[in-house]
Amino acid sequence: GAVVSQHPSWVICKSGTSVKIECRSLDFQATTMFWYRQFPKQSLMLMATSNEGSKATYEQGVEKDKFLINHASLTLSTLTVTSAHPEDSSFYICSVDRDRGRDYTFGSGTRLTVV
Amino acid sequence: TQLLEQSPQFLSIQEGENLTVYCNSSSVFSSLQWYRQEPGEGPVLLVTVVTGGEVKKLKRLTFQFGDARKDSSLHITAAQPGDTGLYLCAGEHTPLVFGKGTRLSVIA
Repeated sequence: GAVVSQHPSWVICKSGTSVKIECRSLDFQATTMFWYRQFPKQSLMLMATSNEGSKATYEQGVEKDKFLINHASLTLSTLTVTSAHPEDSSFYICSVDRDRGRDYTFGSGTRLTVV
Repeated sequence: TQLLEQSPQFLSIQEGENLTVYCNSSSVFSSLQWYRQEPGEGPVLLVTVVTGGEVKKLKRLTFQFGDARKDSSLHITAAQPGDTGLYLCAGEHTPLVFGKGTRLSVIA
């Protein structure tokens, strides 16, 4: 399957600062990427769909001005958590759909801790 | 939103025991996927089931897709500590939406 690389693996930041997370599709040109958030002991919750060259589609309840998504190329999507607060601390994971909903490959995730 | 219910949510068993995890929905899916996630990692695809009634085997793991394509099960035979993790089912959909998962702990 496609190889998806996420960076950084973990990050600690102060409240009020912004953090950028990168998701790279290394061997597949992805017009669409997906961002998920996972709180401890819980499942993955879809945050948004990142669309190359156009605006991201956000799920209900996800603030688009707080979670900025940029998908400037077919291999890179970025998620920026702006003005981070402790409640934004979570595990953020991106994924690529390689085969029309039947073959998803996930990045290894980014553990964000806001102090 | 197509909801997927997984049961049990938590399962702790001894090494060597068998177990079954269930994934149920009121919706019909073209296919259903099972993933396993280890702490600090992204989910990894185990299998995709496509045909109603289909059974797929992956070593000690047996996956079954219901005849009506609304439910699925994962059976693990002779569980080992290495099977410990979060097991997630997801129905074919774009974007992918997961069930709440079953957290399995296999104790040596």
